[in-house]
Amino acid sequence: QVQLVQSGTDVKKPGASVKLSCQASGYIFTSYYMHWVRQAPGQGLEWMGVINPSAGSTRYAQKFQGRVTLTRDTSTSTVYMDLSSLTSDDTAVYYCARDDTTVRDQENYYFDYWGQGTLVTVSS
Amino acid sequence: DIQMTQSPSSLSAFVGDRVTITCRASQGIANYLAWFQQKPGKAPKSLISAASTLQSGVPSKFSGSGSGTDFSLTISSLQPEDFATYYCQQYYSYPPTFGQGTKVEIK
Repeated sequence: QVQLVQSGTDVKKPGASVKLSCQASGYIFTSYYMHWVRQAPGQGLEWMGVINPSAGSTRYAQKFQGRVTLTRDTSTSTVYMDLSSLTSDDTAVYYCARDDTTVRDQENYYFDYWGQGTLVTVSS
Repeated sequence: DIQMTQSPSSLSAFVGDRVTITCRASQGIANYLAWFQQKPGKAPKSLISAASTLQSGVPSKFSGSGSGTDFSLTISSLQPEDFATYYCQQYYSYPPTFGQGTKVEIK
């Protein structure tokens, strides 16, 4: 069965960077796009970006351009999300979520499987 | 960006009630509409794609309808495990956007 297992809770100071991981199993890792979505406390869901695990190509939401970097390690079926210049507004749960479309086609931006989420707290 | 507006923001209902949540897009999105269920402290769970297609394993008490700008999610007979927050999401146009959520609580 498809599983997305994310790294654990993290606490960072303002101005720092955070790197989160999402390890996939139960399917061919390089076949499906992977997205990152975040949720601030008590708030809704916000899409951040997507990576093609096969090609390594990425696309980011305009809001996060220049601050977010998605990478992947195909040897461990893991996607990483690096977010820099953190502020308290970045305090949120960060989810990886798989696109339901394979990389042979364009991203569909529909998320069929989600990781369990990683809480990142930014506080001085 | 396409704005997604859900109503109501919250509702209280009894076990056994039929519940309907609506979602309106700021422009037409055909049927590129998904519904997710989220319980406290958990990740969202995919319920419905393409406005009305149930994901594998999702019980048939959930149903979705609509096209264009107006959509709805109906739970035919609310059970204790259905109390959660529900989100709609459009994937017609980049970037994907979500509604603000509808919290379904026990009356």
